[in-house]
Amino acid sequence: DTAVSQTPKYLVTQMGNDKSIKCEQNLGHDTMYWYKQDSKKFLKIMFSYNNKELIINETVPNRFSPKSPDKAHLNLHINSLELGDSAVYFCASSQDFGMSNQPQHFGDGTRLSIL
Amino acid sequence: DQQVKQNSPSLSVQEGRISILNCDYTNSMFDYFLWYKKYPAEGPTFLISISSIKDKNEDGRFTVFLNKSAKHLSLHIVPSQPGDSAVYFCAASASNTGKLIFGQGTTLQVKP
Repeated sequence: DTAVSQTPKYLVTQMGNDKSIKCEQNLGHDTMYWYKQDSKKFLKIMFSYNNKELIINETVPNRFSPKSPDKAHLNLHINSLELGDSAVYFCASSQDFGMSNQPQHFGDGTRLSIL
Repeated sequence: DQQVKQNSPSLSVQEGRISILNCDYTNSMFDYFLWYKKYPAEGPTFLISISSIKDKNEDGRFTVFLNKSAKHLSLHIVPSQPGDSAVYFCAASASNTGKLIFGQGTTLQVKP
């Protein structure tokens, strides 16, 4: 059983388009995250939700809007895509927020390519 | 400002020998450190962790060492196996932030 699943795995689109990436976890976790891995391979946190509430919002352009319809889902919508948005986006979840000793579980990533 | 650094982008070792992956950090507020392993086209998978109140944690072939005074941690894999070939990410968190800060990863290649 896949614990954290993201769709789509690959996304190729034109600059200026709007796209969404979906994430679901079946671990019963309360906290979910979105990370971006850029061309230099750094994994950087973008957002975190705990029980559907936004708790971490890093300095991300407001073209990026996360939505959590329930605690098992955290979707990422991106408006007016730019070339610099090309990256791999990872969804993750953990049991609770702020508990350092609880590892985060990651999905397999969505590779977004902007033409 | 990169708070977690893995200065070796790659490491190659012979099967059966020890692999040592290093990580340095700058933020003294970090109280928990984790290592993740990542295969191509997959997400990072949790490997082992250590609390700042300890200096060593061992799990099978994997041992993590923490030197707080030097703000340095290392992952030892012994004996190394070809299946260990992957990218290894060091990560750190401070309990008051709930955020994981990752290093840029080290690619380990274990040769048969």
